[in-house]
Amino acid sequence: GQQLNQSPQSMFIQEGEDVSMNCTSSSIFNTWLWYKQDPGEGPVLLIALYKAGELTSNGRLTAQFGITRKDSFLNISASIPSDVGIYFCAPPIGSQGNLIFGKGTKLSVKP
Amino acid sequence: NAGVTQTPKFQVLKTGQSMTLQCAQDMNHEYMSWYRQDPGMGLRLIHYSVGAGITDQGEVPNGYNVSRSTTEDFPLRLLSAAPSQTSVYFCASRRTGGIGEAFFGQGTRLTVV
Repeated sequence: GQQLNQSPQSMFIQEGEDVSMNCTSSSIFNTWLWYKQDPGEGPVLLIALYKAGELTSNGRLTAQFGITRKDSFLNISASIPSDVGIYFCAPPIGSQGNLIFGKGTKLSVKP
Repeated sequence: NAGVTQTPKFQVLKTGQSMTLQCAQDMNHEYMSWYRQDPGMGLRLIHYSVGAGITDQGEVPNGYNVSRSTTEDFPLRLLSAAPSQTSVYFCASRRTGGIGEAFFGQGTRLTVV
């Protein structure tokens, strides 16, 4: 099956710092989705990217669809304690658009 | 605004027991799916359905059965629970057509002893 490599696996940062994470694959995708999972909750969609090279922002979050269509990047600026959670890349695949998930980046923010 | 509702939230089973994890959505979404989440593994697709009466297997379907008799409900059945099925299970729903946002339930934490 398709493999997604998400890095880093975990990050421990100070409040106010910027965060960068990425997702790479040997496969090409037409869409990249980024989800966040708060502790004890289900994932929630943060950002959707539909075109190679696209750069999209949602508040302090910025995501990019890699030009090769094999990778995507998520940046969080000026982190705050509520940014804590696990961030997943999840491109849809196949005719039904089933989501495949990376293993996630676990973010911890120290006040 | 219930969204996707999963019950129960927690369950402990003995090896060999059977049970059904319930999932209901009130958004009239055609597409529903079940994932399992294991530590460090991300979420893996078990089964999915694109409408009432239609189901299909995902990446890890063995040991699980599903059916879809209504648009709203998509139960997941474990016929004979095994310790390897200890996991957190998530149900999700979305519209079909295009790439719609998937909405997830809060999860069911299952332990098989």
